Amino acid sequence: EAGVAQSPRYKIIEKRQSVAFWCNPISGHATLYWYQQILGQGPKLLIQFQNNGVVDDSQLPKDRFSAERLKGVDSTLKIQPAKLEDSAVYLCASSLDGGRGQVPSGANVLTFGAGSRLTVL
Amino acid sequence: KQEVTQIPAALSVPEGENLVLNCSFTDSAIYNLQWFRQDPGKGLTSLLLIQSSQREQTSGRLNASLDKSSGRSTLYIAASQPGDSATYLCAGGSETSGSRLTFGEGTQLTVNP
Repeated sequence: EAGVAQSPRYKIIEKRQSVAFWCNPISGHATLYWYQQILGQGPKLLIQFQNNGVVDDSQLPKDRFSAERLKGVDSTLKIQPAKLEDSAVYLCASSLDGGRGQVPSGANVLTFGAGSRLTVL
Repeated sequence: KQEVTQIPAALSVPEGENLVLNCSFTDSAIYNLQWFRQDPGKGLTSLLLIQSSQREQTSGRLNASLDKSSGRSTLYIAASQPGDSATYLCAGGSETSGSRLTFGEGTQLTVNP
């Protein structure tokens, strides 16, 4: 099966500019996640979608970050205006199921894309 | 809120050695725990997933265990190879978050030929 697709792979912008990242999850995966990974740290969840609804965006800096998942498939993550501290790799992941109920083994396994590396100058 | 810690931050071993990577978590009501591998400049690859009702999972030379009572998980790598060099991350989902994972900082493993 095709993996999680992300673009662009690399982006360099100046502070206060805007940037958008795109993610196409594995076909049939209901749950989509955006993580931010700063160099040397583990990924931090920004937002989780279940189909086209937001499940958790508690760690998303809403004054500058926004995300949408129209039609419950592709997703875009936007940063406007960007700050120096936003320099990171933005990882998109998807899973068959994001719930807690009785799910088949492996339904909660996250598959990650290669990431989009952002450098803010 | 789940917090995940990994020790050591970096590890260098000679080829062929058996090794253990450690992961501790604060919320014992953990729903599942996953181990990932990350190569430089790449995304994360899922290695093993342990559901809360399980105690361990095995895949090839990898074995992961989960001890909810002590809040610990270990990843055992047998007969390490230079190709195992990567950063290994553990991540836990709590009972309230399901597959929404909290990651540790990772252990950077180098296996020397």
